[in-house]
Amino acid sequence: KQEVTQIPAALSVPEGENLVLNCSFTDSAIYNLQWFRQDPGKGLTSLLLIQSSQREQTSGRLNASLDKSSGRSTLYIAASQPGDSATYLCAGASGGSYIPTFGRGTSLIVHP
Amino acid sequence: DAGVIQSPRHEVTEMGQEVTLRCKPISGHNSLFWYRQTMMRGLELLIYFNNNVPIDDSGMPEDRFSAKMPNASFSTLKIQPSEPRDSAVYFCASTPRGAAGVNEQYFGPGTRLTVT
Repeated sequence: KQEVTQIPAALSVPEGENLVLNCSFTDSAIYNLQWFRQDPGKGLTSLLLIQSSQREQTSGRLNASLDKSSGRSTLYIAASQPGDSATYLCAGASGGSYIPTFGRGTSLIVHP
Repeated sequence: DAGVIQSPRHEVTEMGQEVTLRCKPISGHNSLFWYRQTMMRGLELLIYFNNNVPIDDSGMPEDRFSAKMPNASFSTLKIQPSEPRDSAVYFCASTPRGAAGVNEQYFGPGTRLTVT
């Protein structure tokens, strides 16, 4: 069964800093990996989806990578802003299943 | 498209009462997921439908929970009788299944359930 871990659980950085959020998974036969953002009291918003055949995806200041052999994905946020403050979750779907397993998330605070 | 729609947004009920949560997936999506999120356990998958058919309900905690999807545009999650430990945020998500197998999940805003 796929297990997804996110470290650190919480992160506080000053505005403008480049940062990396980590996501590790146990089953390398991953179908895809998706990164989400969740604001307090809100639902999840999809940020980036990486298919198993891809190595990375980019959207604006966000870049997500996928390394199946090491069981890792990273979300890189460039030039962080206070508006980036939220919880970031990753989810991996394994093999032929379309059922994703979610990590517990990294709570990010970007302070001015 | 309006996105995934959930109702109600907030529900407060007394222990023992029946609770029904509703979800309308994005039009054209053929997979629907019900999740529960708590501080203690994070985001847990309860049940997953594909083409209106329940595929995996192994996450449903007990018989008090039931879910239906009578058509492609509507699903319900029912708790009867409700208990205080059912208090959580319940999310519905839908997924398209195109030829490329793209299955990006789109989440609704959630229903915050409080059972007193």
